[in-house]
Order: sequence, then C-alpha cells, then structure tokens
Amino acid sequence: SQTIHQWPATLVQPVGSPLSLECTVEGTSNPNLYWYRQAAGRGLQLLFYSVGIGQISSEVPQNLSASRPQDRQFILSSKKLLLSDSGFYLCAWSDRGGTGETQYFGPGTRLLVL
Amino acid sequence: QKEVEQNSGPLSVPEGAIASLNCTYSDRVSQSFFWYRQYSGKSPELIMSIYSNGDKEDGRFTAQLNKASQYVSLLIRDSQPSDSATYLCAVNRGYNKLIFGAGTRLAVHP
Repeated sequence: SQTIHQWPATLVQPVGSPLSLECTVEGTSNPNLYWYRQAAGRGLQLLFYSVGIGQISSEVPQNLSASRPQDRQFILSSKKLLLSDSGFYLCAWSDRGGTGETQYFGPGTRLLVL
Repeated sequence: QKEVEQNSGPLSVPEGAIASLNCTYSDRVSQSFFWYRQYSGKSPELIMSIYSNGDKEDGRFTAQLNKASQYVSLLIRDSQPSDSATYLCAVNRGYNKLIFGAGTRLAVHP
C-alpha cells in the first residue's frame, strides 16, 4: 500500500529565516505530487504540482519554491520566510494512470512564522 | 464567483439524523468530484469520488451529482458524533488539479 510522509510535523521559524519541508511517497512509482497550503480556517490553496523529476508547475506567485530531486521526493523551500507564510502545509500524491485525479494527503506540517 | 462554493456552517445535526452537505461549482467542463473529511488539526482524508450524474452510495455516505445544475452533495445517514469534522468538496480542474471549497463544518450532537 502507498504511504506518504511529511516532516517536520511542526515548525516555528523567525521571519526572514529559510525553510525546507520534505515529502516522500512509498509504494508507488511516477506519482503526481502536490504542495498545498491551508491558512487557519480557510480552504486548501494549491502551491505547486509536479508530474516528474525536475518538473514543477507553480500555481501562485510567492516567495516559495519547490523541487523534485527524486521520483518520490518533493521539497518545499523558501529563502526568507514572511509572516504570511504561516499555515498548514500539505503534500499530496496521485497516480499518473486511470485514477490520477484522486489525491491522497500526507499528515501535514504546521508552520508558524514569528 | 468562487470556483467551488460551500456553506461554511456550522451545520448542527442531532445524532442519528441525516446530514446534508452541499457544494456548487462554476466550471461546466468539470468531470470529477470528490468529498474529503478533515478533522481539526489533521489532514484531509478521502471519503468518496463521483463522476456520473446521480447517486453513489458507500456505507452511510451518499454522494449526489447534478452536472446540469453544477451541484454536488454529500449525505451522511445515521450521523455520529465521530462525523463531526469539516467536509471539503473538490472539483477536478483538468490536468489532475483539484480546486477545493473552503469546507463545511459539521457538528453532530448527542
């Protein structure tokens, strides 16, 4: 069965500091990978998605970036965090094939920027 | 107009009752629709997907889709306190990208 991991689970960072969040998927190959952010009491905002190694599409202009160095690894980064970057960051995966539209979420990383 | 709209709630129902959650979407070409449940502080988990007009049942859950009216709903029969959560509606926008509504908070009281 497929498993998706995210770390760290929680993070408190000062404004202006860098960020690196990691997501890995087990039990599948060539997944589509996604990064979402959920602000407190709000819906999910798609930040990035990837259909393969090194292939990243950005949905929202911001100070965040994403990379996919390996097939089942997805990293979200920032060089300088802003207060508005606080939120719940969720990684998700989906199959490339017939059920590719169904997305499954990892446990999330809660980020607080102070 | 938001692409996917849901009443934020809270929707309060007594234990054992039917909870009805509604969602409307704006893009007529959308073909795939999903309901996720999100407990407070946790990540969303998939409840059901629906692709064709009509009803789809899975245990106590029934998803209903009406593409002509651009409307999708989720019915929860015999609601339990453990069903208390936020329910997110998601619509496929193409290229395997989902657009999520802001969610409806459901509270089931004993």
